[in-house]
Amino acid sequence: EAQVTQNPRYLITVTGKKLTVTCSQNMNHEYMSWYRQDPGLGLRQIYYSMNVEVTDKGDVPEGYKVSRKEKRNFPLILESPSPNQTSLYFCASSMSPAQETQYFGPGTRLLVL
Amino acid sequence: KNEVEQSPQNLTAQEGEFITINCSYSVGISALHWLQQHPGGGIVSLFMLSSGKKKHGRLIATINIQEKHSSLHITASHPRDSAVYICAVRSGNQFYFGTGTSLTVIP
Repeated sequence: EAQVTQNPRYLITVTGKKLTVTCSQNMNHEYMSWYRQDPGLGLRQIYYSMNVEVTDKGDVPEGYKVSRKEKRNFPLILESPSPNQTSLYFCASSMSPAQETQYFGPGTRLLVL
Repeated sequence: KNEVEQSPQNLTAQEGEFITINCSYSVGISALHWLQQHPGGGIVSLFMLSSGKKKHGRLIATINIQEKHSSLHITASHPRDSAVYICAVRSGNQFYFGTGTSLTVIP
């Protein structure tokens, strides 16, 4: 089954404790992206990757890192999480940004205390 | 100021009604997408438009590039259409999103 998986689905952590949210897709997609969703602000793009070893900042990259060492995986790293990074995070993938369908992961709900 | 504005924010309709959700954008775009977010949180792509009109079943999406405006119409609405509908625009390789329209269809 074609899918984007994210782990963990729910995470409660404390300020400053490094964490990684994993994202994996099984569709051989080249374009992958991370978004955060906040009430009243909607979805905002954090980082995206056009292919292996190619990553670019989106609208709200501050406080986040990403890497793309393999085509299927695109982890999101919070080196020193802060409470303002409490949010719902989505990973998505598609063959290219011009493809009609982006496939979204199920979301990761993060609470930073 | 958000690059993408949607209206209305919330919409309640009776089953069978014709529904329109509007999206305006202020940036130059390569394409516009409509997404649906289910009550459980999952997001699915509905349409991608760069011009004209597209139809999938009871859903119709239109775009007017000159006016920087798109509409999503739902004909013969059904309670299963209850969801948040999100407009997104692609500018280069980046995406910008509206804050969504929460639709509730009452039986």
